[in-house]
Amino acid sequence: DAKTTQPTSMDCAEGRAANLPCNHSTISGNEYVYWYRQIHSQGPQYIIHGLKNNETNEMASLIITEDRKSSTLILPHATLRDTAVYYCIVRGRGSARQLTFGSGTQLTVLP
Amino acid sequence: GAVVSQHPSRVICKSGTSVKIECRSLDFQATTMFWYRQFPKKSLMLMATSNEGSKATYEQGVEKDKFLINHASLTLSTLTVTSAHPEDSSFYICSARDGSSPNNEQFFGPGTRLTVL
Repeated sequence: DAKTTQPTSMDCAEGRAANLPCNHSTISGNEYVYWYRQIHSQGPQYIIHGLKNNETNEMASLIITEDRKSSTLILPHATLRDTAVYYCIVRGRGSARQLTFGSGTQLTVLP
Repeated sequence: GAVVSQHPSRVICKSGTSVKIECRSLDFQATTMFWYRQFPKKSLMLMATSNEGSKATYEQGVEKDKFLINHASLTLSTLTVTSAHPEDSSFYICSARDGSSPNNEQFFGPGTRLTVL
């Protein structure tokens, strides 16, 4: 699975959009970008995934650059409950391998 | 979505005792389950992978005789920390893969906080 690079931490004001970047310059053609988050003392929670098109669900939007070397997770209206560590993971969609977590980005939503 | 449960959610034990943590897939059959460990302010680290009915595969540096894993059914895996010591205090998270899903989706339990005194 390709390596990802994320900023260590970010702050965001409550009610504003939170934009979390991820670099994955070695991503291969059949690898998807997955985003998970982990609220303190809980298990990871799936957010969204995509291949090359932008994706949106009830939790977030995922913007993937045309060259697929980077992506941005967007939480359109961040709330205090969105404070968590956000992990960007690249892997093949049907991969039988386990999910491997990097350091992630600690997002703190400020009141 | 699929649900994975863990029990107990937190446990405190004395040094030298053994602790068993259960992981269950509630609405799907998990052919593979993964056990992760997370120390404070660190990321999740894979400890072992278990396939139903076969021996677990441990990651380098994880003692198989200390962390006993049993995956006897398609909905239950257990992790037993034998002769626990304070350095084993950690957050243990299981994950289960839906065997019927062509996407091999992986779902996570809520975690178990182990404190060894």
